[in-house]
Amino acid sequence: LAKTTQPISMDSYEGQEVNITCSHNNIATNDYITWYQQFPSQGPRFIIQGYKTKVTNEVASLFIPADRKSSTLSLPRVSLSDTAVYYCLVGDNNNDMRFGAGTRLTVKP
Amino acid sequence: NAGVMQNPRHLVRRRGQEARLRCSPMKGHSHVYWYRQLPEEGLKFMVYLQKENIIDESGMPKERFSAEFPKEGPSILRIQQVVRGDSAAYFCASSPLPPAGGPSETQYFGPGTRLLVL
Repeated sequence: LAKTTQPISMDSYEGQEVNITCSHNNIATNDYITWYQQFPSQGPRFIIQGYKTKVTNEVASLFIPADRKSSTLSLPRVSLSDTAVYYCLVGDNNNDMRFGAGTRLTVKP
Repeated sequence: NAGVMQNPRHLVRRRGQEARLRCSPMKGHSHVYWYRQLPEEGLKFMVYLQKENIIDESGMPKERFSAEFPKEGPSILRIQQVVRGDSAAYFCASSPLPPAGGPSETQYFGPGTRLLVL
């Protein structure tokens, strides 16, 4: 299983762009990169998934360099409601992804 | 389409009692995962099940904990003889069978069951 490393915490201010980087040096050829968001007292929810290059949806963008050994989740113009824990996971089609400690993002006014 | 349902949402048990946590996956989902989360910590994988099969229970303590996902009905996480250290939030997630050669399917999480052992 590919192990991921991400910062324990990050602070930001409303309106700023936030970039959270995840390292996954041992990512396998078949692994995809998935990010989840968890608010306090709730279960995580899917944000975005990608394999290479760039993926964008209505919530975030995911940047993946050519070597795929890292990925960056980009949240444009964060608001207070984006305060949450963000998890980076890698896995293949065998549903073997594992959650780590995540990155605790605090957005300040 | 109802989401993943877990009950009870809150459960209080005294040391030595049994705790039974239920999870109803989303309609059409054949995979269920159980996670435990201590306060201010990340999720910790416990067990991964398909209907009538335990696929991976590497994260589940060998004693007192068991899980099942019967052909009919919800998945059950059972904790026997609970101790104070079992107090945590237990989350269930479900996903459909991934397509051959495709990416891991998104896991859809329930609201969790918060277990408090007195």
